[in-house]
Amino acid sequence: KAGVTQTPRYLIKTRGQQVTLSCSPISGHRSVSWYQQTPGQGLQFLFEYFSETQRNKGNFPGRFSGRQFSNSRSEMNVSTLELGDSALYLCASRPQTDSNQPQHFGDGTRLSIL
Amino acid sequence: SQQGEEDPQALSIQEGENATMNCSYKTSINNLQWYRQNSGRGLVHLILIRSNEREKHSGRLRVTLDTSKKSSSLLITASRAADTASYFCATRAYSGAGSYQLTFGKGTKLSVIP
Repeated sequence: KAGVTQTPRYLIKTRGQQVTLSCSPISGHRSVSWYQQTPGQGLQFLFEYFSETQRNKGNFPGRFSGRQFSNSRSEMNVSTLELGDSALYLCASRPQTDSNQPQHFGDGTRLSIL
Repeated sequence: SQQGEEDPQALSIQEGENATMNCSYKTSINNLQWYRQNSGRGLVHLILIRSNEREKHSGRLRVTLDTSKKSSSLLITASRAADTASYFCATRAYSGAGSYQLTFGKGTKLSVIP
């Protein structure tokens, strides 16, 4: 089975722009979660989607949004980019939203804001 | 906010030695998970231990959980250079509105010297 695929792997943007990141989960996985990883704050939960519905949301401003499509693929969007948004954005999938299922992570998108 | 806190922040050992990493958390949990992250890559799930379990093994890995002390430990026996990575504990806990959230600590950076 192919793993979680995130595109692009690297992205450079400037302040004020917006960006869309893509995530294809493992085949058959219906839950997709997004995380932001920075050296200062570590790994922080952004949101989780299941069956095209946002099921859970972390403590991030409204500039961060996401969606999930009927094939379980997910996108996250960040508008009005700020320098502090520079981070590794990780997507993770699992079959259902069962608490006792581990997350399977992609290799992330490295976003750099100039 | 960080739920789990790993200790130590960094650990350097010789190949063949055992490595022990600890994790403390603050609230009641549903389960605790350990992940490994190689530089520039995504996280790889190692072990999930449920709140009613005390110990779990997987190959050279041993995880213990003490819910009375709100702490867990990860032991890697007979370490190899390939074990060099950052190790994160993550706790899944109830976050309200029928949802559970996975919260990560800041990790322990393990270096295994050949």
